[in-house]
Amino acid sequence: DAKTTQPNSMESNEEEPVHLPCNHSTISGTDYIHWYRQLPSQGPEYVIHGLTSNVNNRMASLAIAEDRKSSTLILHRATLRDAAVYYCILKRANNAGNMLTFGGGTRLMVKP
Amino acid sequence: NAGVMQNPRHLVRRRGQEARLRCSPMKGHSHVYWYRQLPEEGLKFMVYLQKENIIDESGMPKERFSAEFPKEGPSILRIQQVVRGDSAAYFCASSGSAPGELFFGEGSRLTVL
Repeated sequence: DAKTTQPNSMESNEEEPVHLPCNHSTISGTDYIHWYRQLPSQGPEYVIHGLTSNVNNRMASLAIAEDRKSSTLILHRATLRDAAVYYCILKRANNAGNMLTFGGGTRLMVKP
Repeated sequence: NAGVMQNPRHLVRRRGQEARLRCSPMKGHSHVYWYRQLPEEGLKFMVYLQKENIIDESGMPKERFSAEFPKEGPSILRIQQVVRGDSAAYFCASSGSAPGELFFGEGSRLTVL
């Protein structure tokens, strides 16, 4: 799977929007962009995924650049509970199973 | 519908002992994945199993580590003759056959004294 690059850490104020960037310049046409997050002392949890079009769900929005070389996870209104490590992961559509390769992720700190 | 269940949540072993970590996947899931997270580090893939088969064990250390997912019962990650460097959180995830998300358990935290 192709590599992603994320900032090590970001800070946000509570109740403000957060934009978490991810660069994936070597993405291939069949790579899906997945986001997971890991709250302190918990297992990772799925946030959102997309291929080409922007995606919205109850947790977040995913904005994908037109050339697909970057994407942004948007939390519309950060809460203290959103403090976590956010992982941007590329997953090839034809890979066996649903195995994911995690990078370093972005540690999001939310200030009250 | 219960999620992925891992036990024990915490396990303490002395050097040289064996550690057995169990994972029951979500109902209806037949694919299990084990990951290891060392303190202050990211998640590293270890092994991917389907019922009774190891599909990909490219992340498993060559010695002392083994995994199984029998026809009946939970998946088990077994670490023989543990050393202090094995101290970590071990996470299990499961999925169905179709492409989709992974569902993770809460992890088993192994401490080797």
